[in-house]
Amino acid sequence: DADVTQTPRNRITKTGKRIMLECSQTKGHDRMYWYRQDPGLGLRLIYYSFDVKDINKGEISDGYSVSRQAQAKFSLSLESAIPNQTALYFCATSVGGGSQMTDTGELFFGEGSRLTVL
Amino acid sequence: AQSVAQPEDQVNVAEGNPLTVKCTYSVSGNPYLFWYVQYPNRGLQFLLKYITGDNLVKGSYGFEAEFNKSQTSFHLKKPSALVSDSALYFCAVRDAYNQGGKLIFGQGTELSVKP
Repeated sequence: DADVTQTPRNRITKTGKRIMLECSQTKGHDRMYWYRQDPGLGLRLIYYSFDVKDINKGEISDGYSVSRQAQAKFSLSLESAIPNQTALYFCATSVGGGSQMTDTGELFFGEGSRLTVL
Repeated sequence: AQSVAQPEDQVNVAEGNPLTVKCTYSVSGNPYLFWYVQYPNRGLQFLLKYITGDNLVKGSYGFEAEFNKSQTSFHLKKPSALVSDSALYFCAVRDAYNQGGKLIFGQGTELSVKP
């Protein structure tokens, strides 16, 4: 089984619909992230969470919200989807906590959720 | 502010030839540097990282990267390319001493290895 699991893997929806992408992890990591990948733009950070009570906006958070339901679960929501949110979305985790020697920032990724908004 | 540049959108190499995928970075402090690879319809997989120590870092699948502080570069290399190395490669950086820092990714370089 994958250490970082994303559901759904593929989703097609219509403009204005609410969409939730879910992420769960078995790595025991404190930190979780949502990234968006667009061709030619690399990965851009949407939101990140350093623990259950800590949620932070990334560089492109407008139009998105998140929920950290437990250490192992981090969901991304699009309240009213629009076509330019069509992208490949990745959840990732990192160790976090402790000293800077234990948290190098290395990320562990899920397989991705491809979202198409018509 | 942190930033990463991968100056080549695509790199084409013949199988058996050496390959280089370029990456330059900018951070205010010391960098932690990473290379990830993405195969079609898959998530990103970790290849290697530079944290401290030897400037030449060896990673998975025969890849290596050289940290050059004066040129602020972290180029990915492999002595002999394989067709199976064809994929999308991402360089990433964070500031070592900024505990709130996140990984910042480059835009990616598509590597194509032809038989």
